Amino acid sequence: GDSVTQMEGPVTLSEEAFLTINCTYTATGYPSLFWYVQYPGEGLQLLLKATKADDKGSNKGFEATYRKETTSFHLEKGSVQVSDSAVYFCALVGLGGGATNKLIFGTGTLLAVQP
Amino acid sequence: EAEVAQSPRYKITEKSQAVAFWCDPISGHATLYWYRQILGQGPELLVQFQDESVVDDSQLPKDRFSAERLKGVDSTLKIQPAELGDSAMYLCASSSPLEVRELFFGEGSRLTVL
Repeated sequence: GDSVTQMEGPVTLSEEAFLTINCTYTATGYPSLFWYVQYPGEGLQLLLKATKADDKGSNKGFEATYRKETTSFHLEKGSVQVSDSAVYFCALVGLGGGATNKLIFGTGTLLAVQP
Repeated sequence: EAEVAQSPRYKITEKSQAVAFWCDPISGHATLYWYRQILGQGPELLVQFQDESVVDDSQLPKDRFSAERLKGVDSTLKIQPAELGDSAMYLCASSSPLEVRELFFGEGSRLTVL
């Protein structure tokens, strides 16, 4: 079945450092890909998305490119801030038949940014 | 900005007791989801509604969990009896007919079973 694998955390960085969180997926066809962020004590928020190969999703300085050849959707940010400290989830929605649009999540990566 | 509302935010209960969570999706969102997030893991789908109908409850432990969305708007997730392993965050999400793959999540209900 469809699945998402993301790098284990925690990832600890200093402010203004470059961030990469790796995400790879297994799915049939062309799923839609997402990054969600969960700040402490809060629900999940959609960070960015891409719906077809070579699409680049971007938001709040974060970027991720849908790479079908490597089945990857790595999250990057050029200069992280303390306020970016959160858990980041990679997710996909497959092209399964029927009425479902089941969002499948990775296990999450905790990012801790130190001043 | 429209939000998915959930209550209660926190619930502590003893095992074998009944517990219920409520969710009010964004107005106009026909699809409603209940996810369970165990600490340190990603959310897993428990049940998905399209209007008032269940379209996926394959991962719902039906011996103790039930979910309903009687009028196709708000929804209730019930656990009876609660077990220690049910301690988790219960997340509700909704999506619109125009963009069914983009889910909007509520803040969640954190359950602790003692």
